[in-house]
Amino acid sequence: EAQVTQNPRYLITVTGKKLTVTCSQNMNHEYMSWYRQDPGLGLRQIYYSMNVEVTDKGDVPEGYKVSRKEKRNFPLILESPSPNQTSLYFCASSLGTSGGLYEQYFGPGTRLTVT
Amino acid sequence: SQQGEEDPQALSIQEGENATMNCSYKTSINNLQWYRQNSGRGLVHLILIRSNEREKHSGRLRVTLDTSKKSSSLLITASRAADTASYFCAPTTAFQGGSEKLVFGKGTKLTVNP
Repeated sequence: EAQVTQNPRYLITVTGKKLTVTCSQNMNHEYMSWYRQDPGLGLRQIYYSMNVEVTDKGDVPEGYKVSRKEKRNFPLILESPSPNQTSLYFCASSLGTSGGLYEQYFGPGTRLTVT
Repeated sequence: SQQGEEDPQALSIQEGENATMNCSYKTSINNLQWYRQNSGRGLVHLILIRSNEREKHSGRLRVTLDTSKKSSSLLITASRAADTASYFCAPTTAFQGGSEKLVFGKGTKLTVNP
């Protein structure tokens, strides 16, 4: 089954404790992206990757890091989480190197709470 | 950056009725996509309509695009309780490193009452 998986699905952590949210897709997609969703603000892009070893900032990259060492994986790293990073996070992937040319497939989401 | 603005923000209808949601954007686009999100879940792609298309259908969904008015609409016919969700439009323009980018609006929250 074609899918995007994220882990963990739920995470409660404390300020400053480094964490990684994993994202994996099995569709051989070049393009991958991370979004956060907050009430009243909609979905905002954090980082994206057009291919292996090619990553770039989205609209709200501060406090986040990503890497793309393999085509299928695109982990999101919070080196020192803060309460304002409490949010619902989505990973997505798409055919081709463009984020808008084809449909995006979304993961189920990771609900992160930073206390 | 280019962002779709959905209207209305919330819509409540009875099962069997049609639901129409609108999206407006500001600059020229390459295509426009519609997504659905059930509460707290991942977004699901519904329809992609290209800038040279005026109308597209998928089952009970009908999307129109008017590039002269910079607007799109999503019509769900004969709605069902299972259609209860938030609906997002995402116009795309080429600017992200030469690539294209989806920028999501805040969505229309549709409630279909049984």
